[in-house]
Amino acid sequence: RKEVEQDPGPFNVPEGATVAFNCTYSNSASQSFFWYRQDCRKEPKLLMSVYSSGNEDGRFTAQLNRASQYISLLIRDSKLSDSATYLCVVPNFGNEKLTFGTGTRLTIIP
Amino acid sequence: DAGVIQSPRHEVTEMGQEVTLRCKPISGHDYLFWYRQTMMRGLELLIYFNNNVPIDDSGMPEDRFSAKMPNASFSTLKIQPSEPRDSAVYFCASSPDPAHPHPYNSPLHFGNGTRLTVT
Repeated sequence: RKEVEQDPGPFNVPEGATVAFNCTYSNSASQSFFWYRQDCRKEPKLLMSVYSSGNEDGRFTAQLNRASQYISLLIRDSKLSDSATYLCVVPNFGNEKLTFGTGTRLTIIP
Repeated sequence: DAGVIQSPRHEVTEMGQEVTLRCKPISGHDYLFWYRQTMMRGLELLIYFNNNVPIDDSGMPEDRFSAKMPNASFSTLKIQPSEPRDSAVYFCASSPDPAHPHPYNSPLHFGNGTRLTVT
């Protein structure tokens, strides 16, 4: 299994819909996880941190399933401005290296 | 704070030429990372420094790539000689402590990137 794996998409979703995508990881010792958002021709920026079982921030919910080694991102009531690439990030436990997934491309259609 | 500053924003060069990418991290951040992003491979870690010392360069593709951090406020990534397959976006990122970020703070702060095209 790759260190971090994501479905590249693209996901084309109508405005207002709910969309979810997963990220699987191989290092069972990883403790914290992150979702980054990257707009076209921009740098990645933190969207959410995922500690313990998950957390919610407005329309965004991130969940962690340690037994199956995946994290998920759920976006409710999607907006046109949600169109971006979403990167899953997994640290290697005990050190400073952060491994990025290749990203899932999301396009919200009017 | 101005954030992580990279230069140049765009670089177009011919195969065989030397390319130097520059990065100024956020003041007070002890860690500096160089990443490369391509469509095929996504974001790949090339090398990272802690307190100006290279810690892990296992991601550097080959001897044509080298990176230095002469002081806490400046780093360079050099490619010599450059090849068309080096074309990518190169990101520099800094962090105070990526292994133990403050809750809900980003473990990495990225610069705007340098888009390199080698013809």
